[in-house]
Amino acid sequence: SQLAEENLWALSVHEGESVTVNCSYKTSITALQWYRQKSGEGPAQLILIRSNEREKRNGRLRATLDTSSQSSSLSITATRCEDTAVYFCATGDSGYNKLTFGKGTVLLVSP
Amino acid sequence: NSKVIQTPRYLVKGQGQKAKMRCIPEKGHPVVFWYQQNKNNEFKFLINFQNQEVLQQIDMTEKRFSAECPSNSPCSLEIQSSEAGDSALYLCASSLGSQNTLYFGAGTRLSVL
Repeated sequence: SQLAEENLWALSVHEGESVTVNCSYKTSITALQWYRQKSGEGPAQLILIRSNEREKRNGRLRATLDTSSQSSSLSITATRCEDTAVYFCATGDSGYNKLTFGKGTVLLVSP
Repeated sequence: NSKVIQTPRYLVKGQGQKAKMRCIPEKGHPVVFWYQQNKNNEFKFLINFQNQEVLQQIDMTEKRFSAECPSNSPCSLEIQSSEAGDSALYLCASSLGSQNTLYFGAGTRLSVL
């Protein structure tokens, strides 16, 4: 079973709008990471949020973590066409040597 | 920006052929990962190394897949006898530690005809 899973397969917004991608996970974690993968590229990390943190920001990005409901969200404000990508959450449990990735949410930002 | 280099970008093989891909991790990163990403964007962890030693690997890797990360040489992932189901994007990533950020290369896209 998936240790991490984004809740929607695809989202479409217009430039300038805000968007939120949600993720749920099934085990206790030490940290949750959000990655973005653009077409033809490998994933790139956006935010790492540890289990003792509730919110983390990186420019136009804001991640939240709710360990009681085992869920996380990634919000992007003032979206741009270049935010078009697949967004993944990834988790590792307390003894982990690897990250487990969710299935990803495709985000399309159109002009 | 990631400095993980994967070669080749594209690899086309016939069924039963060997397929080998290489990865140069970011300098100073002792941990290297290999993932397989299918056409539905799903990731499958294959194997990881720390300082040339295998940390963890899945059963698939133990059978037809082999991988190594020798010192002072690129890491490599080889499929001994390619199958159609092996067609995927193979991603290499490196990290300072297993609980840190993963830095990915652009991947090797394998097509098995």
